Amino acid sequence: AQSVAQPEDQVNVAEGNPLTVKCTYSVSGNPYLFWYVQYPNRGLQFLLKYITGDNLVKGSYGFEAEFNKSQTSFHLKKPSALVSDSALYFCAVRDPSGYSTLTFGKGTMLLVSP
Amino acid sequence: DAGVTQSPTHLIKTRGQQVTLRCSPKSGHDTVSWYQQALGQGPQFIFQYYEEEERQRGNFPDRFSGHQFPNYSSELNVNALLLGDSALYLCASSGQGFGELFFGEGSRLTVL
Repeated sequence: AQSVAQPEDQVNVAEGNPLTVKCTYSVSGNPYLFWYVQYPNRGLQFLLKYITGDNLVKGSYGFEAEFNKSQTSFHLKKPSALVSDSALYFCAVRDPSGYSTLTFGKGTMLLVSP
Repeated sequence: DAGVTQSPTHLIKTRGQQVTLRCSPKSGHDTVSWYQQALGQGPQFIFQYYEEEERQRGNFPDRFSGHQFPNYSSELNVNALLLGDSALYLCASSGQGFGELFFGEGSRLTVL
């Protein structure tokens, strides 16, 4: 069965500094990977996905993610953090069976200080 | 274009009761999935509906059941509620191919 690990419960960064939120995955076959963001008491908003192609994926709100097959990682990055980026971030891997089912990590809280 | 809509947004039930949650998918989407998100946890897959059939199911007991209607909308039913069923229930819709899931705002269920 597929799985996702987000090793950090919380990441703290100062506004204007670069940020990285880590994710590693385990799946048989080709990995289809996603990042979602959740603001308090809200649903999940899609940020970006890796299906195939370039290992650096660009997404919404200036976020990008780097796919590394040898390290089975898909870390989320942003060159310059904003206070408004403070939220809960989830990494997810798609079911390799072909269905659109996602398996999520436990989430990483990102706190950006002014 | 309306996204995924869920109702109700909040509800409170007591142990042993039954609850029905509703979801309308994003326009053009034919597949609906339900997830349970307990406090401080990532979403856990409950089941997925496609062509009015349950296509895939996660590790949830039979107390959790669902339905998909011809217009692709869906319901999640939970019987014999337990305190541990308190959670945010998220509905997600998708089309065919490798597109992302679109999530609704969720239904917050509290079981007392």
